[in-house]
Amino acid sequence: SQQGEEDPQALSIQEGENATMNCSYKTSINNLQWYRQNSGRGLVHLILIRSNEREKHSGRLRVTLDTSKKSSSLLITASRAADTASYFCATDPGSARQLTFGSGTQLTVLP
Amino acid sequence: DAGVTQSPTHLIKTRGQQVTLRCSPKSGHDTVSWYQQALGQGPQFIFQYYEEEERQRGNFPDRFSGHQFPNYSSELNVNALLLGDSALYLCASRRTGESYGYTFGSGTRLTVV
Repeated sequence: SQQGEEDPQALSIQEGENATMNCSYKTSINNLQWYRQNSGRGLVHLILIRSNEREKHSGRLRVTLDTSKKSSSLLITASRAADTASYFCATDPGSARQLTFGSGTQLTVLP
Repeated sequence: DAGVTQSPTHLIKTRGQQVTLRCSPKSGHDTVSWYQQALGQGPQFIFQYYEEEERQRGNFPDRFSGHQFPNYSSELNVNALLLGDSALYLCASRRTGESYGYTFGSGTRLTVV
């Protein structure tokens, strides 16, 4: 079963706009990770935020984490058509236990 | 530096048959995990191998089994295939003890007819 849910399930924006995706989860975590998947192929790790961090940046990506609300958001700024993909959050409970993925957000960036 | 390599990329099997999928982890990685991803869903954890032993297992029946070899490569075996086993099977690796993102392979697309 999925750990949590991503919201929205699908998002369509124009190139240059910002895209925000949200992730909610249910149990305590060591860290939360975001992955990208193109056309049903392999997942690419984008960014990891630890449970004691509230915000993290990597290039055009900004991730926030609110452990009190058990939620995270991924912001992609100045989106490009090449950002079109599915985005998944995954929670890592630590102690070498496994990642649990959400159901994903399908992002479409229109040129 | 090669990432995670999976083979084959696509596979079509008949219900009731058995299948073996293969994975070579990224250089320097010793832990391999397998995930099943149904169409439109997020990946679901099947099991994890480290030091040639299954260390953790998700909610999958015994028809799903695996193996890890001394060179850290791994196989996923599925017996008595069902139509519902049709999915993308993903292999992920990382170095034990380090907390960072996993490296995923491109997956094997299994279709059971």
